[in-house]
Amino acid sequence: DAGVTQSPTHLIKTRGQHVTLRCSPISGHKSVSWYQQVLGQGPQFIFQYYEKEERGRGNFPDRFSARQFPNYSSELNVNALLLGDSALYLCASSSGGRGNEQFFGPGTRLTVL
Amino acid sequence: GDSVTQMEGPVTLSEEAFLTINCTYTATGYPSLFWYVQYPGEGLQLLLKATKADDKGSNKGFEATYRKETTSFHLEKGSVQVSDSAVYFCALGDSNYQLIWGAGTKLIIKP
Repeated sequence: DAGVTQSPTHLIKTRGQHVTLRCSPISGHKSVSWYQQVLGQGPQFIFQYYEKEERGRGNFPDRFSARQFPNYSSELNVNALLLGDSALYLCASSSGGRGNEQFFGPGTRLTVL
Repeated sequence: GDSVTQMEGPVTLSEEAFLTINCTYTATGYPSLFWYVQYPGEGLQLLLKATKADDKGSNKGFEATYRKETTSFHLEKGSVQVSDSAVYFCALGDSNYQLIWGAGTKLIIKP
């Protein structure tokens, strides 16, 4: 079975641009979470979606948005990019219950110049 | 709010040494606790988990016990190998389904 897949692997953007990151969860998983990991730090929670509904949101500005599609794949959108948005963006899937472990994709490395 | 604190690294040990990486947490309610590992150039992998007090998670020779009285979930291994070199993250699963992470501890094992 395929694990969590993310695209693209790497991305370079300039300040003010918009970016869309994509994630496909493990087959059968209905929940997708997005995290931002800055170099040398632990991941920071951005969003969680379950059954196409937002179930949680971290402390990120409104420039960050996401959605989940009927096939449970997900997109993370970031508008008006800032230099500080440069990070590894991680997608994780789970079955969705409390205490369920999350399985992570390889991440998308975003560089904002 | 909920938080996780883990010991700063890097931690440098010789092969076959005993490993402890400390992790403490603050949380309301009864969170699940996790250790994830990130090997060089790879993604995050779940190492072990515990869902209630006194549970012991174990995998690949690593162990951690959920201690409610000390709000701790320390990671231990009796004899480390060079291949254990990685960054280890302690995480808490809160009531809002998100994972709250420690800053990570880099482990370096020398042959």
